Amino acid sequence: SQQGEEDPQALSIQEGENATMNCSYKTSINNLQWYRQNSGRGLVHLILIRSNEREKHSGRLRVTLDTSKKSSSLLITASRAADTASYFCANYNNNDMRFGAGTRLTVKP
Amino acid sequence: KAGVTQTPRYLIKTRGQQVTLSCSPISGHRSVSWYQQTPGQGLQFLFEYFSETQRNKGNFPGRFSGRQFSNSRSEMNVSTLELGDSALYLCASSPYSGRSSYNEQFFGPGTRLTVL
Repeated sequence: SQQGEEDPQALSIQEGENATMNCSYKTSINNLQWYRQNSGRGLVHLILIRSNEREKHSGRLRVTLDTSKKSSSLLITASRAADTASYFCANYNNNDMRFGAGTRLTVKP
Repeated sequence: KAGVTQTPRYLIKTRGQQVTLSCSPISGHRSVSWYQQTPGQGLQFLFEYFSETQRNKGNFPGRFSGRQFSNSRSEMNVSTLELGDSALYLCASSPYSGRSSYNEQFFGPGTRLTVL
């Protein structure tokens, strides 16, 4: 079974707009990671945030973590058509990685 | 460094057959994990190997097995294939730095298995 749940399941925006995806999880975590997957291919790691961090930035990506609410959000600013992909949150707990169901992001040119 | 490679990329089998998938991790990575991805169940953890030992196993039947060699390359085997085993099988490697923190995983392109 999956550990996390992403919200929304699908998101469609115009190029240049911001995209926000949320992730909730059920148990305590060591860290939480976000991955991107282009259609039917392998996942690419985007960013890792540790349980004692609240916010992290990487280029156009901003991730927040609220351990009290067991939730995280991924913000992609100034989106591009190339950002079209599925985005997954994953957390490491008890020595295995659990992935959420993913958010399918479509960025229209 | 070369990325994670998986072979074969595509595979078609029939029910009852067995299949072996191969994964070569990034040079220097000692941890290899396997995942099954299906539209219905999403990404599910199969197992993880480190230094030729299985460290963790997901909730899959015994038909799914794996192993890791001394050069960190890994194989997974599925015996008595069922239609529901049709999926994208992803391998990921990771530099291992201890149980208190878990590094990012580097994924291969996957093997698309179709069971007829």
